[in-house]
This record gives sequence, structure tokens and C-alpha cells, in this order.
Amino acid sequence: GDSVTQMEGPVTLSEEAFLTINCTYTATGYPSLFWYVQYPGEGLQLLLKATKADDKGSNKGFEATYRKETTSFHLEKGSVQVSDSAVYFCALRPWGNKFYFGSGTKLNVKP
Amino acid sequence: NAGVTQTPKFQVLKTGQSMTLQCAQDMNHEYMSWYRQDPGMGLRLIHYSVGAGITDQGEVPNGYNVSRSTTEDFPLRLLSAAPSQTSVYFCASSYSIDLGPGQGSDTQYFGPGTRLTVL
Repeated sequence: GDSVTQMEGPVTLSEEAFLTINCTYTATGYPSLFWYVQYPGEGLQLLLKATKADDKGSNKGFEATYRKETTSFHLEKGSVQVSDSAVYFCALRPWGNKFYFGSGTKLNVKP
Repeated sequence: NAGVTQTPKFQVLKTGQSMTLQCAQDMNHEYMSWYRQDPGMGLRLIHYSVGAGITDQGEVPNGYNVSRSTTEDFPLRLLSAAPSQTSVYFCASSYSIDLGPGQGSDTQYFGPGTRLTVL
């Protein structure tokens, strides 16, 4: 069935370090792919999305490229800040009305 | 716009009690959904609706009921609460989701969540 697998956390980085959070998916057809971010005590917010193969989603310095050949949508940022500390969720929407979320990766950025 | 609102923010129930979690949106979104968030398991879809009068089951529907009488509201009912339903519940909405990914707007907007504890 359709599913998302993302790397377990927590991930702890120093400020200005490079970030990668891995996400792979299983889905039929051509799903839309998303990264959502959840700050402490809040609901999820869309960070970026991509709707077809080779699309790159980007927002706030974060990027992710839809790789159909490797069924991946890894999240990257060149220089993280303390304010990026949050939980990041990879998600997909295959053909239809259901969304599937990964288990979330907690990021801690230390000054 | 208030966006997606949920009430209450916190709730403690005893096993067997019933209650309704409220969700409302003021963005005229057709698609609304309920998720539960459990540690290490991410978000799992409970029920969703593609418009007033239309609902369907998600991954984990057992123990929950929904109805959609208006575009704005999508309440989630627990008929007989169980400790396994202790979780954080999120409501989300979006514009109409066409069957084809990438067609139409499928960005979901989430409410702030309801933390439910069942003793």
C-alpha cells in the first residue's frame, strides 16, 4: 500500500550546519509529495510541495526534489538556524483523497 | 480569516464516556479531514469529507464517527472512549481535491489540535 518512511530523529545540529532529512515513499502512480513542519504546541504547516517528477519544492531556504527513480523526497537546508527547531513530516497524496504522513523527524538546532 | 479552529484544546475523559471534538473552517474549503498523532507514528487519517453530506473512512476509523452537514463544520464523535484513543487530534481542510495529484489545490491547513486523555 501507499506509505512514507522518513529517518528517525532526533537530529541535533549546530547553527549554520547543513541539514538533510531523508524521506522515501511507496505509492502507485504519480503522487504529490509534501513536507510539513510542526513547531512546539502548534498544528502542522506546509513547508513545501512537489507535484511531479523532478520538481523542486522550496521555501524559507529549505528544498526537496521529487525523485521518481529513487522514490525519494529528501529535505535539505544549507544553513540551519535555531528557529528551525521543530518536527518535520514528509507526506504524500497518491491518486485519490487520502494523505499519508511519515512518523516525523525532530530537529534540534543548538546555538 | 480564523482559518481552522478546534475546540476544546484539552480534554480528559473516563473510559466509556462520549464526546465530540469540534472543527470549523472559514475558508470555504470542500475537503476536511481528521487525524490523530501518536508518538513515533506520525499522523494517521481517521475520516475525511469531500463536501457537505459526504464522508469516508481513513486508515483508523474504528471508534469514531463523523458527519458533515455544512461546508464549515466537521465534528468528530467518540461514542465510547477507550484509553487507546488517548492522542492529539488534528483537523485539516483544503480546497477541492481532484482525483489527479497536482491538479487543483491539495495543500492542507491544520488546526491547532486537541489533546485528549482517556483514563
